[in-house]
Amino acid sequence: GDSVTQMEGPVTLSEEAFLTINCTYTATGYPSLFWYVQYPGEGLQLLLKATKADDKGSNKGFEATYRKETTSFHLEKGSVQVSDSAVYFCALSEGGGSYIPTFGRGTSLIVHP
Amino acid sequence: GAGVSQSPRYKVAKRGQDVALRCDPISGHVSLFWYQQALGQGPEFLTYFQNEAQLDKSGLPSDRFFAERPEGSVSTLKIQRTQQEDSAVYLCASSLGVRRGRDEKLFFGSGTQLSVL
Repeated sequence: GDSVTQMEGPVTLSEEAFLTINCTYTATGYPSLFWYVQYPGEGLQLLLKATKADDKGSNKGFEATYRKETTSFHLEKGSVQVSDSAVYFCALSEGGGSYIPTFGRGTSLIVHP
Repeated sequence: GAGVSQSPRYKVAKRGQDVALRCDPISGHVSLFWYQQALGQGPEFLTYFQNEAQLDKSGLPSDRFFAERPEGSVSTLKIQRTQQEDSAVYLCASSLGVRRGRDEKLFFGSGTQLSVL
């Protein structure tokens, strides 16, 4: 079945550092890929998405490129802020019926001033 | 309301008790999902509704778990005879409607944290 693998956290960075959170996936078809973010005490919210190979999703300075050849969708940001501290979830949604999203286990990001 | 609302925010139950968790989706959203999130893990799919029809319940871990959405809006997840392994955060999410495509955005509630003692 479909699955998503994320790098273990927590990822701890200083403000203005470069961020990469790795995500790889397994799917039988051609899924859409997502990054969701969960700030403390809040629900998950969509950060960005990409629907086909080589698409780049971007939002709030974050980017991720859909790499079909490596089945990856790594999240990057050039300069993190303290306010980016949250848990980041990679997810995929595949066709074949109900498009039910499958999530990774999440990666906690802690940014220090 | 403006977002997905879940209640209660926290629930403590004694082992063996029944619990009911409520989800108010965004008005007009056709699709509704329930997920279970164990500590330190990602959301795991439980069940899915399209309007009042429960189209997929393959993720429900046992027959103690039951979900309904009788009028196609508010949904209730019921857990009978709770056990310690049921302790988790239960997330509800809604979206406009599955036929809009597989890139559809989910809107999540803040979840109900269930602790079974």
